[in-house]
Amino acid sequence: DTGVSQDPRHKITKRGQNVTFRCDPISEHNRLYWYRQTLGQGPEFLTYFQNEAQLEKSRLLSDRFSAERPKGSFSTLEIQRTEQGDSAMYLCASSQVGSQYNEQFFGPGTRLTVL
Amino acid sequence: QQQVKQSPQSLIVQKGGISIINCAYENTAFDYFPWYQQFPGKGPALLIAIRPDVSEKKEGRFTISFNKSAKQFSLHIMDSQPGDSATYFCAASKRNNFNKFYFGSGTKLNVKP
Repeated sequence: DTGVSQDPRHKITKRGQNVTFRCDPISEHNRLYWYRQTLGQGPEFLTYFQNEAQLEKSRLLSDRFSAERPKGSFSTLEIQRTEQGDSAMYLCASSQVGSQYNEQFFGPGTRLTVL
Repeated sequence: QQQVKQSPQSLIVQKGGISIINCAYENTAFDYFPWYQQFPGKGPALLIAIRPDVSEKKEGRFTISFNKSAKQFSLHIMDSQPGDSATYFCAASKRNNFNKFYFGSGTKLNVKP
């Protein structure tokens, strides 16, 4: 399977704990995106990388959130001191620089539940 | 404030019928309008997309109609099938930043056999 993969698919944690999610983009894609999707809503942009550089961050990405893409391949999204409001689906997408309109390919998401 | 407004929230259509989902926007900087289809437990998948220099784009049973002056665009699914039952999202991105997509709130389509 050469699509975007995310791990884990589901995560249940207690409030105050730290969690980390991983995204593996399509191999030749140099742009990687994180979105958050709450129930009944569309995805909301969080941040994106071109290679290893984080080029844009949404105001939704509070200080408790940090994303990395250390070698320009996979990315991690860490949430520290989780809150119940962090419960959501976290989606990763990737695209290739030079594609005409930056078609973004999404992974299956990581569903986070904070108890 | 949601930059792309989508309606209806849910839609029930008989098999063979036409499904129509509408989206509206205010920001004239938007220059690219994709539609995504999402099945339960899956990430969104690109269905069809349009730029405002054309008023219509058709791919198989799926058509986007675009009204630049009204700042509205819609997805038409002809001959709707039960396999089309999914949540559909419209989105938009700006000409100076194709990397950031603004999504509508989604329409849950149920096509009855």
